[in-house]
Amino acid sequence: DGGITQSPKYLFRKEGQNVTLSCEQNLNHDAMYWYRQDPGQGLRLIYYSQIVNDFQKGDIAEGYSVSREKKESFPLTVTSAQKNPTAFYLCASSPRAGGYTFGSGTRLTVV
Amino acid sequence: AQRVTQPEKLLSVFKGAPVELKCNYSYSGSPELFWYVQYSRQRLQLLLRHISRESIKGFTADLNKGETSFHLKKPFAQEEDSAMYYCALSGSSNTGKLIFGQGTTLQVKP
Repeated sequence: DGGITQSPKYLFRKEGQNVTLSCEQNLNHDAMYWYRQDPGQGLRLIYYSQIVNDFQKGDIAEGYSVSREKKESFPLTVTSAQKNPTAFYLCASSPRAGGYTFGSGTRLTVV
Repeated sequence: AQRVTQPEKLLSVFKGAPVELKCNYSYSGSPELFWYVQYSRQRLQLLLRHISRESIKGFTADLNKGETSFHLKKPFAQEEDSAMYYCALSGSSNTGKLIFGQGTTLQVKP
């Protein structure tokens, strides 16, 4: 059963901590993306990767980091430098030319 | 700069009424436009893309390059159409990244 899996579904973080959100896909898609979804602001691109071992900053990359060591995996780290990390995070993947497949999202809350 | 604008945060209609969700874009080249939908407690999913020129669940969208618009239309709304709808633009050369609008919540009342 092909798909894209994000974990955990809910995550709580204390101020000053780094946390890592997982995103795994078995669709054999080349490209993967991280978006942040906030009410009234739509989806904003954080980072994206078109191939293994390569990634680019999106529109709101400050305070985030990623890695792409395997085609299937694209984890996102929310660092303590991110000033307003509480949000819903969506991961997506796509083939070279095609629409996105989205994960179910991770809701991060800073406590 | 690439930008997608959905001017309505909320659109509320009665069942059976026509629906039009507006989307305007800003892009100097030849864009590829998409509509994505998120039903309650479900993942965001592709509804349709302009190059396919298809109708999905009764929805259609026509790319109007003169008006830089890609409005989503359905002649008779159903209650199950209630969802969040996002318009998205892919314009960057071969990166595949999408620029999303702010989203419009469609509420279809019985």
